[in-house]
Amino acid sequence: KAGVTQTPRYLIKTRGQQVTLSCSPISGHRSVSWYQQTPGQGLQFLFEYFSETQRNKGNFPGRFSGRQFSNSRSEMNVSTLELGDSALYLCASSPTGTSPDTQYFGPGTRLTVL
Amino acid sequence: ILNVEQSPQSLHVQEGDSTNFTCSFPSSNFYALHWYRWETAKSPEALFVMTLNGDEKKKGRISATLNTKEGYSYLYIKGSQPEDSATYLCACQGGATNKLIFGTGTLLAVQP
Repeated sequence: KAGVTQTPRYLIKTRGQQVTLSCSPISGHRSVSWYQQTPGQGLQFLFEYFSETQRNKGNFPGRFSGRQFSNSRSEMNVSTLELGDSALYLCASSPTGTSPDTQYFGPGTRLTVL
Repeated sequence: ILNVEQSPQSLHVQEGDSTNFTCSFPSSNFYALHWYRWETAKSPEALFVMTLNGDEKKKGRISATLNTKEGYSYLYIKGSQPEDSATYLCACQGGATNKLIFGTGTLLAVQP
């Protein structure tokens, strides 16, 4: 089975722009979660989608949003980029969304905001 | 709000040494504890998911224990090898959702 894939792997944007990141979960997985990692910080939970519905949200401003499609693929959007949004963004998928479920991570998208 | 702490922050050992790290979490509202291993430029790799007090899990030379009453988990590596060099993360689930609260990790470097 193919693992979780994320595109693009690297991205450079300037302040004020917006960006969309994509995550394709493992086939058959219905839950997708997004995390942000900045230098010196642990992975911070952004949000989780299950069956196209946002089920859980972390403590991030409204500039961060996401969605999930019927095939479970998920996108994350950040609008009006700030320098502090430079980070590694990871997504993770899990089979049923029924805890406790192992979450399988993708390799991440490295976003640099100039 | 859960606060997950890991110690030490980093560890340098010689090949063949055994080592262990600690993950501390609030014992109230505990649901599950996850351990991951994260090598540079790769995806975090799931090691264990633990739920029950007294739980012990093992995968090859790596094992973990869980104490939910006092809020800690230990990860042990027996006979460390250079390929064990990675950051080891623990994450706590505070309820029946997939929201994980991560510690900042322990960076292990194994010298040949």
